[in-house]
Amino acid sequence: SQTIHQWPATLVQPVGSPLSLECTVEGTSNPNLYWYRQAAGRGLQLLFYSVGIGQISSEVPQNLSASRPQDRQFILSSKKLLLSDSGFYLCASTSGSGANVLTFGAGSRLTVL
Amino acid sequence: GENVEQHPSTLSVQEGDSAVIKCTYSDSASNYFPWYKQELGKGPQLIIDIRSNVGEKKDQRIAVTLNKTAKHFSLHITETQPEDSAVYFCAASKNSNTGNQFYFGTGTSLTVIP
Repeated sequence: SQTIHQWPATLVQPVGSPLSLECTVEGTSNPNLYWYRQAAGRGLQLLFYSVGIGQISSEVPQNLSASRPQDRQFILSSKKLLLSDSGFYLCASTSGSGANVLTFGAGSRLTVL
Repeated sequence: GENVEQHPSTLSVQEGDSAVIKCTYSDSASNYFPWYKQELGKGPQLIIDIRSNVGEKKDQRIAVTLNKTAKHFSLHITETQPEDSAVYFCAASKNSNTGNQFYFGTGTSLTVIP
């Protein structure tokens, strides 16, 4: 089964600073990878997904970006954080094309001050 | 695109009673319906799922039913316990050559009162 590692677990950053959240997946190859954001008390918003190295699809245009430099590595970045970027960021993975089961990581809580 | 609606948004039940959460979806091509449980400060955990070729699935105290004609599916938790308190999300998904997409409901906060 898949295991998803996310770091850092918590992060407090000032407005205008850069961001890098990392996610790695174990136990599968060629996964589909996803970044979701969850604002306090709200649902899951899909930010980016990737079906392969270097292939990124954006669902919501904003000041965030994603990259997939390796098969099982997914990075969420920002050059300049906004207050509205605060939230709980979740990396998720399915075990390859055609496989439905979506597994989530433990999440990274970002507070922008 | 797919639209998943989930009700109720909050639910309180007495310990030992049953809890039911309902979801509807709009895309008839959706063929996979997972349910997730999210405890405070943690990532969602898959608790049960159902595929479109099945009408009902049960795992101990948890069951899910699917009505493809009406495009709705439900989560049933029997003999609720305090540790069932959490936020529950339903989702709908379909196969895609560009990567499976998962559309989530807005969540139900379940509180089981001891």
